[in-house]
Amino acid sequence: DAGVTQSPTHLIKTRGQQVTLRCSPKSGHDTVSWYQQALGQGPQFIFQYYEEEERQRGNFPDRFSGHQFPNYSSELNVNALLLGDSALYLCASSFGLAGVNEQFFGPGTRLTVL
Amino acid sequence: AQTVTQSQPEMSVQEAETVTLSCTYDTSENNYYLFWYKQPPSRQMILVIRQEAYKQQNATENRFSVNFQKAAKSFSLKISDSQLGDTAMYFCAFMSSSGGGADGLTFGKGTHLIIQP
Repeated sequence: DAGVTQSPTHLIKTRGQQVTLRCSPKSGHDTVSWYQQALGQGPQFIFQYYEEEERQRGNFPDRFSGHQFPNYSSELNVNALLLGDSALYLCASSFGLAGVNEQFFGPGTRLTVL
Repeated sequence: AQTVTQSQPEMSVQEAETVTLSCTYDTSENNYYLFWYKQPPSRQMILVIRQEAYKQQNATENRFSVNFQKAAKSFSLKISDSQLGDTAMYFCAFMSSSGGGADGLTFGKGTHLIIQP
């Protein structure tokens, strides 16, 4: 049983560009959450998707957007990249209520903005 | 808004010793979940242990146990018989139970635990 997978593993972009990160949830999971983890910090919640809708968003600007597909996979898009967007982006999946049911994390995508 | 504080940036102990990692949090809610996650150099975040705030009994998972003090808003992790494979970043995290977890996890800054041979 494959766990949560993310692609790509690493990515290098320049300021002002746009990037799309992808996440496939663990089999049987229908909820996907995205987190940004800056170097030396704990992850910060970006948003959560359930039934193809954004349920809740953390303190991130509209440059960060997402999408969930009918097969529950998800994309995170970041427009007009800034140097400060350099971070590890983590995807987590769960079945239904994320608190009641365990969230499983993927290995992350390391984004470097030059 | 909730906050989670981990006051120990780094800890180092000898193999087989017992170590306790500290975590405090601030919330006005009564029902919530608390977690300890482990992040090894491979970067994959792994759930170590979970505590539901309405349960008074402290959670245990093999060598891992917590000391949950709700009134003091404290949630420490004890690792017994520490092993080299326990070397990792450890994050304390909070999740509100209202909204079904839609607000996601609020993490502390982490404690880097090093187990010395």
